Amino acid sequence: GQNIDQPTEMTATEGAIVQINCTYQTSGFNGLFWYQQHAGEAPTFLSYNVLDGLEEKGRFSSFLSRSKGYSYLLLKELQMKDSASYLCAAMDSNYQLIWGAGTKLIIKP
Amino acid sequence: TAGITQAPTSQILAAGRSMTLRCTQDMRHNAMYWYRQDLGLGLRLIHYSNTAGTTGKGEVPDGYSVSRANTDDFPLTLASAVPSQTSVYFCASSDSLAGDTDTQYFGPGTRLTVL
Repeated sequence: GQNIDQPTEMTATEGAIVQINCTYQTSGFNGLFWYQQHAGEAPTFLSYNVLDGLEEKGRFSSFLSRSKGYSYLLLKELQMKDSASYLCAAMDSNYQLIWGAGTKLIIKP
Repeated sequence: TAGITQAPTSQILAAGRSMTLRCTQDMRHNAMYWYRQDLGLGLRLIHYSNTAGTTGKGEVPDGYSVSRANTDDFPLTLASAVPSQTSVYFCASSDSLAGDTDTQYFGPGTRLTVL
């Protein structure tokens, strides 16, 4: 079956760095997406990886290892507004997104 | 531009009643999607449409129907609501053609409670 695993909740301190991991098993693979979702709001796109390696976009970076079925989202210089859920989603061979349950990130001052 | 709009924002519905959730996008995207989001679970695809005039079933289609008469609108209908359909419903769109990997953009969601 198809499956996405990510931690349920993480806590970090303002100004610090946090890494949110995601492992995936899908029928075929057409890329890995990360979305941010604030409580009560819609998911918003953060990053897309299809090739192995690190993609950097400001304070956020995303890494992919296709051979290991593994990705992580790295958030630097954490701000209180980064408190949100982070959703990992893998695109399968039918170009459908398979979603993880999300990681709730709590930022403490 | 508004992007994607959904209506209503929230609704309480008696079991057995029917309801249509509305979704409209102004980005001229080809593909549209309906997801439900439940606590502790990932977003689950209900139905999708790769282009106007075509629809397909997702992971959890039972009890739901959709239509795609034009590019902009993608309504989701619950013919006879049941309590297990209590959820937050998100509509999304992407500029994908079939077999493409474009980003999906989400509407604000409809919070539905079935009693």
